Amino acid sequence: EPEVTQTPSHQVTQMGQEVILRCVPISNHLYFYWYRQILGQKVEFLVSFYNNEISEKSEIFDDQFSVERPDGSNFTLKIRSTKLEDSAMYFCASSASGTRARDGEQFFGPGTRLTVL
Amino acid sequence: AQSVTQLDSQVPVFEEAPVELRCNYSSSVSVYLFWYVQYPNQGLQLLLKYLSGSTLVKGINGFEAEFNKSQTSFHLRKPSVHISDTAEYFCAVSSASGGSYIPTFGRGTSLIVHP
Repeated sequence: EPEVTQTPSHQVTQMGQEVILRCVPISNHLYFYWYRQILGQKVEFLVSFYNNEISEKSEIFDDQFSVERPDGSNFTLKIRSTKLEDSAMYFCASSASGTRARDGEQFFGPGTRLTVL
Repeated sequence: AQSVTQLDSQVPVFEEAPVELRCNYSSSVSVYLFWYVQYPNQGLQLLLKYLSGSTLVKGINGFEAEFNKSQTSFHLRKPSVHISDTAEYFCAVSSASGGSYIPTFGRGTSLIVHP
């Protein structure tokens, strides 16, 4: 069964460093998403991406964040200068149809746990 | 704006006992409701969803949920749990606000099934 994969499973970094979180969405999906979950808190939407551009983003997704689809398979989230409060689990998701289709089911990856020291 | 409240952060239960995981939501527009499950070291998997029609929704692994508009609830139930049901469960709501259906998630409920 096709699935979304994410690497690495755990990333430890120093405050101020850049990190890139990688995701391989399901191959025939066209819509891609990033969410994060700070420990003990809610899963929060960060950004959605379609046709090589951001389609929606939340207030959390500020200038420190960027997303890219560098090739036909990967979807990345970059944090330019990490802060302590960026420590969280980051989930990638993909869907065949976009968020404007109410039943566009999103398929989630296992997450990358980012720890900023 | 929409929000989701999962009042129970942890629910311990014995194997073969029934379980209910509670979810309440708030929204000013029509909503669509979801339950996701996350097994250890895996991604979020859709258990079931309510879009319209019958308020009792059946999902995978024997779970079901009932949409109650007057109580703004969407509680998840299973009549007899197994050890393998031990996981984190997330309730989510989306609506037609602004034409986007980006879901808003609750904080999750950890279901712990004891032998």
